[in-house]
Amino acid sequence: GAVVSQHPSWVICKSGTSVKIECRSLDFQATTMFWYRQFPKQSLMLMATSNEGSKATYEQGVEKDKFLINHASLTLSTLTVTSAHPEDSSFYICSARDSRVGGNEQYFGPGTRLTVT
Amino acid sequence: SQQGEEDPQALSIQEGENATMNCSYKTSINNLQWYRQNSGRGLVHLILIRSNEREKHSGRLRVTLDTSKKSSSLLITASRAADTASYFCASTLGGANSKLTFGKGITLSVRP
Repeated sequence: GAVVSQHPSWVICKSGTSVKIECRSLDFQATTMFWYRQFPKQSLMLMATSNEGSKATYEQGVEKDKFLINHASLTLSTLTVTSAHPEDSSFYICSARDSRVGGNEQYFGPGTRLTVT
Repeated sequence: SQQGEEDPQALSIQEGENATMNCSYKTSINNLQWYRQNSGRGLVHLILIRSNEREKHSGRLRVTLDTSKKSSSLLITASRAADTASYFCASTLGGANSKLTFGKGITLSVRP
């Protein structure tokens, strides 16, 4: 149980285009999902907290108009990188918290490798 | 600045040896968790220890938490080559919906 999937697992796009990454909780409902980015050999940096049915909460320094987050259902959150630039190339990881279970354990997706050329 | 700071940042050991990784944090926490990440992959949750717990075991893993020193350690006993990965500690500050704050990570290499 507690499986989180991400799609796509990797994507290459041209500078200026937009890319959508999906995060799904497969066997549980998640009112809260989180989006992280990770540069090579570095730690995970929280970008935003995605709440089902409401606006995402962005961390300081993260442009909400560039990284659009939509959490339209209890099992799906999407991150859209708009007008992507090479510096947006990174590993994007989502996580989800099981709504039914108390506590703070988060289940992580396998990540999406974005390369902007 | 990040909540968690692990040390050492890189550790290389022989298969069969024990690996000890430490994590320090700066503020009061609700719980602390350890994760493993294989290269280019997502995170795997290893163990969670709550602020009112001092030690926890799971298989070959042993985690300790010292809230007076704001530190935690992860011990992997009888290491295997498959344990080669990056290990992160992450803490939540409090409340059911607190976000995780990750440390910089430790790269563990286990030589066969």
